[in-house]
Amino acid sequence: AQSVTQPDIHITVSEGASLELRCNYSYGATPYLFWYVQSPGQGLQLLLKYFSGDTLVQGIKGFEAEFKRSQSSFNLRKPSVHWSDAAEYFCAVGNAGNMLTFGGGTRLMVKP
Amino acid sequence: ETGVTQSPTHLIKTRGQQVTLRCSSQSGHNTVSWYQQALGQGPQFIFQYYREEENGRGNFPPRFSGLQFPNYSSELNVNALELDDSALYLCASSLTSGISTDTQYFGPGTRLTVL
Repeated sequence: AQSVTQPDIHITVSEGASLELRCNYSYGATPYLFWYVQSPGQGLQLLLKYFSGDTLVQGIKGFEAEFKRSQSSFNLRKPSVHWSDAAEYFCAVGNAGNMLTFGGGTRLMVKP
Repeated sequence: ETGVTQSPTHLIKTRGQQVTLRCSSQSGHNTVSWYQQALGQGPQFIFQYYREEENGRGNFPPRFSGLQFPNYSSELNVNALELDDSALYLCASSLTSGISTDTQYFGPGTRLTVL
């Protein structure tokens, strides 16, 4: 069975600082990996995805993520955080039918 | 291009009642998936519909059922509501071609409260 772990429930960073959100997955085959962002009371917006190919993927809003098969990780990074990045971030793994299993989420707070 | 829409936005029901939630998929998409997101948790996969048939199901009881219509819109029905069914219900649409399904795009969700 597939599973996703996001070890950090809450993270606080200062505006302008760099950010890394951790994601570890368990999946028997080559995974489809995703990062979604959710603002309070809203649906999920896709930040980026990895299906195959280059292990460093670029997404919207200046985010990137790196797939590391040896570590079963897909960490999300941003070099300089903006106050508008405060939200909940979800990592997900999908099977061939793209039925997603989500992690528990990481809530990001940004200090001015 | 119209995104995924869901109705209603909010809904309050009492325990034991039945509820129907609706989802219109994004233009060009033929697959709809439903997720339940309890407060403070990540979304959990309920089921997926493709070509009007259930194409996969998560760990949810049979009182959670669904439909997909020829225009690819979908309904989620929940019978005999329980307090633990209170959650945000998210619909996502995607395009399935061959044996693979592309990225899912989510609607804004329906907030269900069961009293």
